[in-house]
Amino acid sequence: QVQLQESGPGLVKPSETLSLTCTVSGASISSYYWSWIRQPPGKGLEWIGYIYYSGSTNYNPSLKSRVTISIDTSNNHFSLRLSSVTAADTAVYYCARVVMGGYYFDYWGQGTLVTVSS
Amino acid sequence: QSALTQPRSVSGSPGQSVTISCTGTSSDVGTYNYVSWYQQHPGKAPKLMIYDVTERPSGVPDRFSGSKSGNTASLTISGLQAEDEADYYCCSYAGLQVFGTGTKVTVL
Repeated sequence: QVQLQESGPGLVKPSETLSLTCTVSGASISSYYWSWIRQPPGKGLEWIGYIYYSGSTNYNPSLKSRVTISIDTSNNHFSLRLSSVTAADTAVYYCARVVMGGYYFDYWGQGTLVTVSS
Repeated sequence: QSALTQPRSVSGSPGQSVTISCTGTSSDVGTYNYVSWYQQHPGKAPKLMIYDVTERPSGVPDRFSGSKSGNTASLTISGLQAEDEADYYCCSYAGLQVFGTGTKVTVL
């Protein structure tokens, strides 16, 4: 059974860097693409980007200048870094597995709320 | 890349059918047969309901069905049940991923 679990600070100060990790169990991280998606409170879903085990990435152009997604195949996890955050980056952040044959997200983490506030 | 356009809300009585539209452009929905749909209950993670426009993952009831015509994809829920009350999001590949604006389904 594939499971994903996000972890990281729930509070980040403005202008600082948001860092989250997604730990994958029940599947090898080396066999799929992996993605980050976020959802501001009361709003819709926004795709952030995805990464393949090789390190190849694809980012949402609207966030590309501030986003880095990395992968650690030894520990079966991947990570998100979002720099220079503002209140607009306050959201529930989800990690998800991507099926690239059809570009859809078949397994999701439970999500973690990150609040940007001083 | 702009978000795909969905109606803000749709509603129906138990047993009825409802259809949610998802309108994109020739750069996303109109070109790629990579439209997926997600159901999200309050406080929960989204759940995959439809992929590749019409395909249903194992475990998803067959009263959920998907289709596409031109730049618009649709999700139909037949025989509406109380547990179908949730938010629904479409998503299309377009060289990157773009989500719809979301639709709240209310069971009257």
